[in-house]
Amino acid sequence: LAKTTQPISMDSYEGQEVNITCSHNNIATNDYITWYQQFPSQGPRFIIQGYKTKVTNEVASLFIPADRKSSTLSLPRVSLSDTAVYYCLVGDNGQNFVFGPGTRLSVLP
Amino acid sequence: ETGVTQTPRHLVMGMTNKKSLKCEQHLGHNAMYWYKQSAKKPLELMFVYNFKEQTENNSVPSRFSPECPNSSHLFLHLHTLQPEDSALYLCASSQDGAEYGYTFGSGTRLTVV
Repeated sequence: LAKTTQPISMDSYEGQEVNITCSHNNIATNDYITWYQQFPSQGPRFIIQGYKTKVTNEVASLFIPADRKSSTLSLPRVSLSDTAVYYCLVGDNGQNFVFGPGTRLSVLP
Repeated sequence: ETGVTQTPRHLVMGMTNKKSLKCEQHLGHNAMYWYKQSAKKPLELMFVYNFKEQTENNSVPSRFSPECPNSSHLFLHLHTLQPEDSALYLCASSQDGAEYGYTFGSGTRLTVV
């Protein structure tokens, strides 16, 4: 299983763009990169998934460089409600995800 | 509502009790998972079921016993638990493995007294 490394915590202010970078140096050819968001006492929620280049949805963007050894989750104009833990995971079809400690994002007023 | 429903939301049990956690998914997924999340710790994968067959058991103590009668339902039977088993227990489902993302339930907050 590809191991991921991401910052333990980040602070931001309302209205700012937040970028959380994840390192996955031993990502395999078949692995996808998936990001989840978790609020306290709730299950993680799927945010976005990508394989290469850039993926954008209504919530976030995911930037993946050509070597795929890292990825960056971009949250545009965060609000207080974006305060949560964000997990970066890599894995392929049929592989069971292993969650790391994630990045605890605190959005301040 | 995520499409994965867990009951009960909260459970307090004594160390000699027997209880069960229930998970039901309405998404037509073929894989279901149990995760444990202790305070300030990452999620720990406990069990995996694909098409009702258990494919993963991550060295979980036998006081936790999973059951998957069909691809829509998953149970976690609990007996003679310890206080350190107090945690948030999360159920998730996915289609064709994890490539397309997991859908998690809201979890059961378990307290063992």
